[in-house]
Order: sequence, then C-alpha cells, then structure tokens
Amino acid sequence: GESVGLHLPTLSVQEGDNSIINCAYSNSASDYFIWYKQESGKGPQFIIDIRSNMDKRQGQRVTVLLNKTVKHLSLQIAATQPGDSAVYFCAENIGGGFKTIFGAGTRLFVKA
Amino acid sequence: DTAVSQTPKYLVTQMGNDKSIKCEQNLGHDTMYWYKQDSKKFLKIMFSYNNKELIINETVPNRFSPKSPDKAHLNLHINSLELGDSAVYFCASSQDGGYTEAFFGQGTRLTVV
Repeated sequence: GESVGLHLPTLSVQEGDNSIINCAYSNSASDYFIWYKQESGKGPQFIIDIRSNMDKRQGQRVTVLLNKTVKHLSLQIAATQPGDSAVYFCAENIGGGFKTIFGAGTRLFVKA
Repeated sequence: DTAVSQTPKYLVTQMGNDKSIKCEQNLGHDTMYWYKQDSKKFLKIMFSYNNKELIINETVPNRFSPKSPDKAHLNLHINSLELGDSAVYFCASSQDGGYTEAFFGQGTRLTVV
C-alpha cells in the first residue's frame, strides 16, 4: 500500500551535533522526493529535494541521500541548532504527477 | 506578503453544520492542493487542482467539495460536519504538479463539537 516513513519517531540531539533523519518509501515508481520541516502552528516548509536520477544533494547545512536499492531516504543536518527543532517529513511524488505522499514525520528535539 | 493564505485559522463548529475554508496564493502557481493533518501529524492529500481543473480526488467523502474559481483560489466547503472531520487542513500550491516543491498555508484548525 501507500506508505512513506515511520510512525512519528523522535530524535533528540545536542546543539552543534549532526542529525540524521531516516525515511523508507514503498513505491519503486516514485521519482521525486522532498523533505519538509514543520514548526509548531505552521505549515510544512520545503527544505530540500532530490530526483531519482541522483543519490545525493546538498544544500545549506542539509544533505539528502537517496538509496533506491533499499528505497531509503535520509536527511542530514549539520551543526544542528535550536531553530531546527520541528517535525520533519519526507515526501514522494509518483511519476511526476499531482499527488505527493507524505511520511509520518520525525520530531527533532535540539537540546541547548 | 503571504504567499499562500487561508482563512480562517481556527474554526470551531457543531456537528451537522456546513463550513468553508478559503485559500489564496499569490505565487502565480498553476496547481493547488488541500491536505488534511490528523492529531498524529499524518498529512494526507485530499485534492489536487491544476489550472482550475480537479486532477486528484483521494476518495474524500462527497461532503467535501473543493471549488476553484480561478487559478489563485481553491476553497473547501464541508457539509454536514462530523466529529472525525476535526483536523488541521492545509492549502498548498506548486508551480506544476510534478517536480517542484509545494508552498503551504499556515493551516486551518477545524474542531467539530
């Protein structure tokens, strides 16, 4: 069936450490993946994306890795800051269409 | 200037009532969406519209009727509200439906009592 990600796990990290958030997707046909950040009381906000013809993409302090063999996606945040505390969602877009499926999200706590 | 704005932000209503949520985007995007987020933070797509045309309807009860008067607006009308409709509803838009990210509104928290 349609499923992306795990049931809202929680990750707690110390400020300044690196964070890694993982996500499993189920549909081999998915060819576009996005990470979103949702702060309390706000809508999801785009962080970084990756197409299926790539296995790594870097942004500012963030890196997304895609392993199509095992259908796994990860988000790495370097030097995690208190402002990174939020719920992070991976999402997959199937066949470049108009339907994006979200994972269940991971809550990131950053300890000062 | 807010890119995707939806109103109201909070909505408390009784079972059986009919209510609407409005959404407007000023990004010039062709595609708009409605998502529902439940109490466990799970986000599920409800509808996708492209150039005012319905593209995706994710088996949402027909009590939910989206309407897109133009590309910049996608409103959601809900008839005969039920307790299970309580959730946060997000409107979003994207340049097209494919390989571009979506921009989300701030959400409408609907509470049915």
